[in-house]
Amino acid sequence: EVQLVESGGDFVQPGASLRLSCTASGFTLGNYDVYWIRQAPGEGLEWVSGITPAGDTSYGDSVKGRFIVSRENAINFVYLQMNSLRDGDTAVYYCVRVWGATGLSDYWGQGTLVTVSS
Amino acid sequence: DIQMTQSPSFLSASVGDRVTITCQASQDIDGSLSWLQQRPGRAPKVLIYDASRLEVGVPPRFSGGGSGTLYSFTISGLQPEDIATYYCQQYQIFPPAFGGGTRVDI
Repeated sequence: EVQLVESGGDFVQPGASLRLSCTASGFTLGNYDVYWIRQAPGEGLEWVSGITPAGDTSYGDSVKGRFIVSRENAINFVYLQMNSLRDGDTAVYYCVRVWGATGLSDYWGQGTLVTVSS
Repeated sequence: DIQMTQSPSFLSASVGDRVTITCQASQDIDGSLSWLQQRPGRAPKVLIYDASRLEVGVPPRFSGGGSGTLYSFTISGLQPEDIATYYCQQYQIFPPAFGGGTRVDI
């Protein structure tokens, strides 16, 4: 069974840093693009970042320069390093598998909650 | 970036009703559209991809259609377990973009 599991969400103050982790079972995570997608409380879905199997990265404008996505294919992990956190970063963060070259976000993790507040 | 306009934002219907949601893209996305269901407190789940293909295990009362910039999602015979928020997502042009969501209630 394909599963993605996120961890690392926490309650932090503005300006703090946090690292989220994503691991997978039922498939080899290192063979797929992975997205991080977030959902603020009561709001819709926002694409945050993406990483290819080779490690090429991309970021949404709201997090560019503050967030860094990386991966360790040997141990089946993807990470999201979040720096200079703001109140507006409060959200559930989902790790999402991307199917092949199609771009389809086919499997989603259960999400991990990041709360930024003073 | 592509903008996705989804409507309505909320709908209330009765069990057994047929309900339809639409999604308009700001440019041609050539059928690269999925529909996701998010039940309260749960992660989103893909129901339909490539505009009209049903994911394995998804009941056939769910269907999708459309082309170019305009797409639709239909539940034919609404069931109590269909209470959820539904999102469209385009994946033709990077970065992926989502509609604002439609909350479906009974």
